[in-house]
Amino acid sequence: SAVISQKPSRDICQRGTSLTIQCQVDSQVTMMFWYRQQPGQSLTLIATANQGSEATYESGFVIDKFPISRPNLTFSTLTVSNMSPEDSSIYLCSLNQGRNTEAFFGQGTRLTVV
Amino acid sequence: GQQVMQIPQYQHVQEGEDFTTYCNSSTTLSNIQWYKQRPGGHPVFLIQLVKSGEVKKQKRLTFQFGEAKKNSSLHITATQTTDVGTYFCAYDRGTSYGKLTFGQGTILTVHP
Repeated sequence: SAVISQKPSRDICQRGTSLTIQCQVDSQVTMMFWYRQQPGQSLTLIATANQGSEATYESGFVIDKFPISRPNLTFSTLTVSNMSPEDSSIYLCSLNQGRNTEAFFGQGTRLTVV
Repeated sequence: GQQVMQIPQYQHVQEGEDFTTYCNSSTTLSNIQWYKQRPGGHPVFLIQLVKSGEVKKQKRLTFQFGEAKKNSSLHITATQTTDVGTYFCAYDRGTSYGKLTFGQGTILTVHP
């Protein structure tokens, strides 16, 4: 198993500002993933963060809007840039131990943009 | 890309009634995973199924993977108030390391 500490747990932000979300893992993992969960919706993968290389973004998500850092094998950040009310969602970091293994999730960041 | 359709979207039951959620794909899946998300919480892994026709049980929960590996179900017997939450199916896309695609989820409410 893995323990993921994600912060902040929630925030209320003004439109046009940026928020950086952090995830710290208690063990080294190759890949980390960032998901968005809009209110009452399912989880959508934003990007895959691999240490030592640029993140890989899913269709509909771009680096300028969601820059990701992965400075080492236990840490990653996701920034939500130039926020608008449409960015109000839960953002979750995640990891697994390989293909076809269970995914572990951080506690989530509940973001409200006003 | 591949998608999974999950039904129903909502299910309200009386405590003690059974509950089933279904996950359907138009194409063959290599695996299916199930997660539970309590209100205000994060998804928590329940089970993974990989074999055709596989059935797994966890206490009151029964998970099935169809013979064609295109559908799956989660059945809860005699629901309890602690079963409240959203149940998601998900599959590993297989093309990259651990990327998951989630179904839309079924929100279960249990009336005492």
